[in-house]
Amino acid sequence: SQQGEEDPQALSIQEGENATMNCSYKTSINNLQWYRQNSGRGLVHLILIRSNEREKHSGRLRVTLDTSKKSSSLLITASRAADTASYFCATEKAAGNKLTFGGGTRVLVKP
Amino acid sequence: IAGITQAPTSQILAAGRRMTLRCTQDMRHNAMYWYRQDLGLGLRLIHYSNTAGTTGKGEVPDGYSVSRANTDDFPLTLASAVPSQTSVYFCASSDSVGVGYGYTFGSGTRLTVV
Repeated sequence: SQQGEEDPQALSIQEGENATMNCSYKTSINNLQWYRQNSGRGLVHLILIRSNEREKHSGRLRVTLDTSKKSSSLLITASRAADTASYFCATEKAAGNKLTFGGGTRVLVKP
Repeated sequence: IAGITQAPTSQILAAGRRMTLRCTQDMRHNAMYWYRQDLGLGLRLIHYSNTAGTTGKGEVPDGYSVSRANTDDFPLTLASAVPSQTSVYFCASSDSVGVGYGYTFGSGTRLTVV
């Protein structure tokens, strides 16, 4: 079963635009993580936000977490063609539990 | 280069055959994991190991077995492959358990069972 559900499933934008994708989950969590997967490659860890945090930044990435709504968003600012990839959210329900991944958002950044 | 090495990168396997997917990490991470990725289903946890000498079952363990004889290696074995095990398999590791560390993933093994 998937704990996280990403929305939208696919996103197409022009280079320079911002890309926003959302993740909803069902049960309380210890932390939520975002990963990127380029075609044919493994997942790469982008950012982790803990349940007591509301917002985190890393370079052009901004992640928010709303535990009352059980949702998170990932914003990529000033997108580049190299940002073309699938993005996955993953949740750790409690300390020591394993990550549960959502189905991902496919992002296409057109030059 | 520090990271996770998976082998083979791809394999076509006859149904009923036994196969072991190899995974080796050089980061001295305690925890290791095996996921399978299927279109529309995201990644699902097969088995995991919190530390050398211990293993546990994930969400979809049936038909798979693992061992963790040392810190670096975490092989996944399909005892008798079936077509529903056609998937992309990812091995991952994390530095510790229970404190919210990100996972490091290998590049995957694409397995087709015919």
